[in-house]
Amino acid sequence: DIQMTQSPSSVSASVGDRVTITCRASQGINTWLAWYQQKPGKAPDLLIYAASTLQSGVPSRFSGSGSGTDFTLTITSLQPEDFATYYCQQADSVPHTFGQGTKLQIK
Amino acid sequence: QVHLQQWGAGLLKPSETLSLTCGVYGESFSRNYWSWIRQSPGKGLEWIGEINHSGSANYSPSLKSRVAISLDTSKKQFSLRLSSVTAADTAIYYCARKHRYSYAYYFDYWGQGTLVTVSS
Repeated sequence: DIQMTQSPSSVSASVGDRVTITCRASQGINTWLAWYQQKPGKAPDLLIYAASTLQSGVPSRFSGSGSGTDFTLTITSLQPEDFATYYCQQADSVPHTFGQGTKLQIK
Repeated sequence: QVHLQQWGAGLLKPSETLSLTCGVYGESFSRNYWSWIRQSPGKGLEWIGEINHSGSANYSPSLKSRVAISLDTSKKQFSLRLSSVTAADTAIYYCARKHRYSYAYYFDYWGQGTLVTVSS
């Protein structure tokens, strides 16, 4: 199985800040990576696929980059609705695997 | 607009079989994979398995001996069965559509989730 490791596991930030979350795959996955946002009591929402393509309706303050084994999710100018938990997921092969999550909290 | 609605028993005893069903609305079964994913505090998000429109299924190696996913195309439903459950299977279970974007597939629509608790 491909292991996905996210860092940090939690981060505190303020409205208007810029935040970067990283995700590392245990082997190369090209750009077959997704980022999801999850709010308490809800299912995850697809934010970004193919490492850098925003899903329809996702604000442009979200961006993704990377290929191979190292990926980043960046949120510029944090908004109150962005405080949530973020997960990366590899789409290269089954079994699909997720990172352990990064909880973005209000400072 | 695609919508997934899931249902099934939420409280099981050890050794019983978990059974959940997911109804698909606003979408056909073709060109997609229909998946089950679970989430527990200890293990985060865990992919359980998937099935495509022709009935071909893939399962997580760690659960393969206990899991079965099936579909009923006439009712536009797919189902999960997990046998011999233990407390370690306590989790929120989600159904999800895995759809092709570019050259790979991603989970773009999810059910509302079902909390399954295994307790004697």
